[in-house]
Amino acid sequence: QSVLTQPPSASGTPGQRVTISCSGSRSNIGNNYIYWYQQLPGTAPKLLIYRNNQRPSGVPDRFSGSKSGTSASLAISGLRSEDEADYYCAAWDDSLNIGVFGGGTKLTVL
Amino acid sequence: EVHLLESGGGLVQPGGSLRLSCAASGFTFGNYAMTWVRQAPGKGLEWVSAISALTGTTHYADSVKGRFIISRDNAMNTVHLQLNSLRADDTAVYYCAKGGIDGYRGVDYWGQGTLVAVSS
Repeated sequence: QSVLTQPPSASGTPGQRVTISCSGSRSNIGNNYIYWYQQLPGTAPKLLIYRNNQRPSGVPDRFSGSKSGTSASLAISGLRSEDEADYYCAAWDDSLNIGVFGGGTKLTVL
Repeated sequence: EVHLLESGGGLVQPGGSLRLSCAASGFTFGNYAMTWVRQAPGKGLEWVSAISALTGTTHYADSVKGRFIISRDNAMNTVHLQLNSLRADDTAVYYCAKGGIDGYRGVDYWGQGTLVAVSS
């Protein structure tokens, strides 16, 4: 059971906009930045979003992040086949004093 | 360019030990926290341990506390994870990751991982 809660799956057709939610508590999302990672099949995770809504250089602006209270979301617009991957949210938890991940969302591009 | 290369994984019997290493390059290693994250076969990511940059403060997930030890050698640009009293549920790919601007509270670069398999 993950500390952060994500839907196990999401899907969309090419060109669509998809959002993935991540729910936590005050000790993690509420008090700390949220990070999002993309993991393509058979590869290591890659940073997509840091500090709730910041994109590292090289990440397309089709990817955006937001946070409100103890929840966060990742939005992918103009969906492409290469976006098919697992997506994870992460944050520090002040009560547990460790990092915590969501269970991951498998995105399928139909 | 940031590069992280893990090594030391392999097959080990229950109760055994392994020492994982992560060689870092492309950044000033001593200025950044380092983290280990693992992923069991077919499962999601699990945060394991982190070590801060300046003070060497360490943090551990409850699942590994008392069995795993994280350490760093700033002269050699390397972070280690000593795995003791290994159990079958420790079987996973272990990723080394570099802390970002928020230190150990968020990682920005990942290595390719090293597989640890615990089985008799």
